[in-house]
Amino acid sequence: ETGVTQSPTHLIKTRGQQVTLRCSSQSGHNTVSWYQQALGQGPQFIFQYYREEENGRGNFPPRFSGLQFPNYSSELNVNALELDDSALYLCASSLEGLGTEAFFGQGTRLTVV
Amino acid sequence: AQSVTQLGSHVSVSEGALVLLRCNYSSSVPPYLFWYVQYPNQGLQLLLKYTTGATLVKGINGFEAEFKKSETSFHLTKPSAHMSDAAEYFCAVHTTSGTYKYIFGTGTRLKVLA
Repeated sequence: ETGVTQSPTHLIKTRGQQVTLRCSSQSGHNTVSWYQQALGQGPQFIFQYYREEENGRGNFPPRFSGLQFPNYSSELNVNALELDDSALYLCASSLEGLGTEAFFGQGTRLTVV
Repeated sequence: AQSVTQLGSHVSVSEGALVLLRCNYSSSVPPYLFWYVQYPNQGLQLLLKYTTGATLVKGINGFEAEFKKSETSFHLTKPSAHMSDAAEYFCAVHTTSGTYKYIFGTGTRLKVLA
């Protein structure tokens, strides 16, 4: 079991609403990445934070935004929810660098109705 | 651009049989390759990784993978399947340009038959 925890584990929201997902990183890790895993698909990179700054972004619209706090915990915010946002959202913490292992949380299952 | 392709979205093997899950990569530079496993309703757990050095990589739970540059492959194997191996397996490449992020394959669901 990793030291990465996500909350909540499940969430149901209505189309058009806003949602905030939270992630507590593994101790000592300064980098947090968020991934979206749609049903039957591999995880897709949303964005990454390194020392409280956005460090890269995948092909996701601006209504997906995030924060990283001084203790390296992180939030993912999604505005104006759409049905296609229904997915498992995974947080991964790591040290910054090439080839480093990422430790994943158990994910938040978001259902948009 | 770097990518990985997993052949076979579903694989079934009998308990005790060889497990072979296929992954091919595309990369113009030496790749950093990973295999992750996902059990139901859980996040991803690292099985093994290849960065540099020995091309045969041993991981947890008896799994291993061999990096073959000539075939652009990084197939995952286990000599004898166990019921507890039933899960979804993802091959991934760690990108070497811009942000260091994972690009995952679409996954292979392994079913182990008694």
